[in-house]
This record gives sequence, structure tokens and C-alpha cells, in this order.
Amino acid sequence: SYELTQPPSVSVSPGQTARITCSGDTLPKQYAYWYQQKPGQAPVLVIYKDSERPSGIPERFSGSSSGTTVTLTISGVQAEDEADYYCQSADSSGTWVFGGGTKLTVL
Amino acid sequence: QVTLRESGPALVKPTQTLTLTCTFSGFSLSTYGMCVNWIRQPPGKALEWLARIDWDDDKYYSTSLKTRLTISKDTSKNQVVLTMTNMDPVDTATYYCAREDKGFDSWGQGTLVTVSS
Repeated sequence: SYELTQPPSVSVSPGQTARITCSGDTLPKQYAYWYQQKPGQAPVLVIYKDSERPSGIPERFSGSSSGTTVTLTISGVQAEDEADYYCQSADSSGTWVFGGGTKLTVL
Repeated sequence: QVTLRESGPALVKPTQTLTLTCTFSGFSLSTYGMCVNWIRQPPGKALEWLARIDWDDDKYYSTSLKTRLTISKDTSKNQVVLTMTNMDPVDTATYYCAREDKGFDSWGQGTLVTVSS
């Protein structure tokens, strides 16, 4: 079955830039989406269609795509950004797949 | 304002069939392009997409679970129903429904389903 690969964890100090990657074979052809999930809460969409930001999401969240890898970048990380982050995309049959998630720790 | 709420049993026995209902407001599933998805998350683990139903009644299922899943909608009641047959303890998870419109832009709070005898 199709897989999206994320690093299990990323650590960054407050004010620095965090980059979370997601790799998958169909990413050159399919959009990627990113979700933030804090403990005990439902996920929240932070990036759609590779690089678009929903209303209400801070400008420090951005997304980019290059080949088989997409990247979520959080500039000027704040303590409140500590959470699990999941990428999502579609496989070749058009069904959805989530990555394994990345735990962002703000040191 | 878009809201979604999952409902269903908190506890099911192995081999039983699980039926979950997603009741939503703030949008119509008869609107062109609108979709509702089900996603689950075992305790401490990653999100897993399960199924999707579209405004035109097209349905899509996880490849690994498609033989056990059925998704349906009642547009008049603003509800989407997911059934999962032959439940097993590994199916213990929080089950979410989510509206799909430029990504999964609205989620329910989730409902924890435990599979145990």
C-alpha cells in the first residue's frame, strides 16, 4: 500500500525555523495537505494544496513542494506550535493517505 | 458555522458490527464538490483514513479495510453513516468524521470506540 514518510520527531528552539518533510512517490502529481494535532484534540488543517494557508492560520506556517518531497515550514516557532503534524495526499487510485506523523518539540 | 459530531457505541465486542453516525450542520452534502470522510486514530498512533462519500454519492474506501466498510448518507438528515464489520481489538481507536473542502477543513471532536469482550 502507498505510504507517506515523515520523520518521527523534530526539535527546535523558540524563534527558530522548523521544517517537517513528507516523502511519497505520487507527490509530484498529487497535492499535499498538512494538519496540526495537539493532545486530546482533533486535527486542524494548516496547509492545503501544497502551499495554501486556510484563513485563521498564522503566516508563520508555510508549505512547499519539490519532486517527491513536500515540506511544512514554521518560521519563528512559538511554544504553542508544539504538536503532532501529519501530511496527507492521495495515492494513484485517488484515495487518501496520511503520513505517520511528526512530533514537533519546542525546546 | 460548520460543525460535525460523531456518535455511536463506546464499546463493542469482537466480531460485532460497528455503526457510527456523523451529524453535521453549516453545509449541505448535496452541494457540488462537497465530501465527508471518516478517519480513525488508535491511542498514541497516527491518523488512518477510512472512507469518503461525495455529494453525488460516489464512495471511496481504504484499500486495506474496504471489505469491512460501508459508507452512506442521508442528505435530508445531514448525516453520514459508517459501518465496520467484524470488529477486532486492533480497531480500538478514536473515530473522526471530517468535511472535505480544500482539505479536511472541519472535523468532529471524535468518538472513542473500544473493542473488548
